[in-house]
Amino acid sequence: RKEVEQDPGPFNVPEGATVAFNCTYSNSASQSFFWYRQDCRKEPKLLMSVYSSGNEDGRFTAQLNRASQYISLLIRDSKLSDSATYLCVSRYGNKLVFGAGTILRVKS
Amino acid sequence: NAGVTQTPKFQVLKTGQSMTLQCAQDMNHNSMYWYRQDPGMGLRLIYYSASEGTTDKGEVPNGYNVSRLNKREFSLRLESAAPSQTSVYFCASSERGLNTGELFFGEGSRLTVL
Repeated sequence: RKEVEQDPGPFNVPEGATVAFNCTYSNSASQSFFWYRQDCRKEPKLLMSVYSSGNEDGRFTAQLNRASQYISLLIRDSKLSDSATYLCVSRYGNKLVFGAGTILRVKS
Repeated sequence: NAGVTQTPKFQVLKTGQSMTLQCAQDMNHNSMYWYRQDPGMGLRLIYYSASEGTTDKGEVPNGYNVSRLNKREFSLRLESAAPSQTSVYFCASSERGLNTGELFFGEGSRLTVL
């Protein structure tokens, strides 16, 4: 079983839609969690951290449920520029473990 | 703002050939990492170096060696390339302890082994 699992998608949504991705993790000792974004044929970049209390960054909301061991990312008012692969990431010690990613395609 | 620089960006090898991927960062980060990315598998950690002078195996170290040459540079060597090592390789760096969870990645090196 992969340590971090994501639905690969693709999620095809129209501009302006709200879309949510979930991710599950198996290591209950994971210390913190993040969402990364990766554009096609580019390197991954940190999108946001995920806090237990939930956190927002503009149109993006991330949440963590430790009891059920899942993380979510909600994107409101989707833009064409949001099209990318979203990687769910857990941290354990000095290592980050990446999920395989969820593909989002926003269409006009 | 160079950040993390990897070379080469593209390479084609024949089975059994050797090569070294070079990585350098100019952010004075203590920790450096090598990942490979394959379709459907996500990024998998090959080796990492928590600080200058130390290296540790990650999830998929077989067939690779690394050298932390100094604080700036961390190289990945394939001694005898195999088709299974066809992948995109990313070098990354971070501050000590990954407190912010932020890895800074290079642009990637696309390796094909025939």
